[in-house]
Amino acid sequence: DQQVKQNSPSLSVQEGRISILNCDYTNSMFDYFLWYKKYPAEGPTFLISISSIKDKNEDGRFTVFLNKSAKHLSLHIVPSQPGDSAVYFCAASVKTSGSRLTFGEGTQLTVNP
Amino acid sequence: EPEVTQTPSHQVTQMGQEVILRCVPISNHLYFYWYRQILGQKVEFLVSFYNNEISEKSEIFDDQFSVERPDGSNFTLKIRSTKLEDSAMYFCASKQGAYEQYFGPGTRLTVT
Repeated sequence: DQQVKQNSPSLSVQEGRISILNCDYTNSMFDYFLWYKKYPAEGPTFLISISSIKDKNEDGRFTVFLNKSAKHLSLHIVPSQPGDSAVYFCAASVKTSGSRLTFGEGTQLTVNP
Repeated sequence: EPEVTQTPSHQVTQMGQEVILRCVPISNHLYFYWYRQILGQKVEFLVSFYNNEISEKSEIFDDQFSVERPDGSNFTLKIRSTKLEDSAMYFCASKQGAYEQYFGPGTRLTVT
């Protein structure tokens, strides 16, 4: 299932700098996108989402950008903090109430002090 | 803050045995899900449940799997006859009417 893809398995940034995590999708039916953060031995934690009618959504240090024509979304974290070090998953769904999430492979973010 | 809970955190079972994984979703949520993550692979959807019935299931969710909401708080996943390839982290999730699903901490199932 390659409908949602995160091509970078890992990313390392310095504390205080911007982290940019990328995600691509192929299914044009997807119209709702989410980012989750996961620490080892824990479940995914919801971070931020965006509907396909928007191209940007911001929540504090986290901003998600959606480029529908390119079927691409990105998560920007600024400034990055060491506590942000985790695996970040991109997920997508179709806009029905009970619909499943389709996940990407995840990107391990390491923020160095 | 309300959260999804799962028990046990780790379950070891022998091949061919039945296991039941338990979840307590967030209390006012209406939609319930099971996902799994095999080591090194993506998080995969198994099944969704709404209004006391399965609303969607993946090709992974074959006759060996079943789900139940036996009372107003628990949501269970049963695997009737476990196989080695069922070894994975199993995550329960729930949501209300909006689109964000909230996940539990997971149950690590090891089939030997």
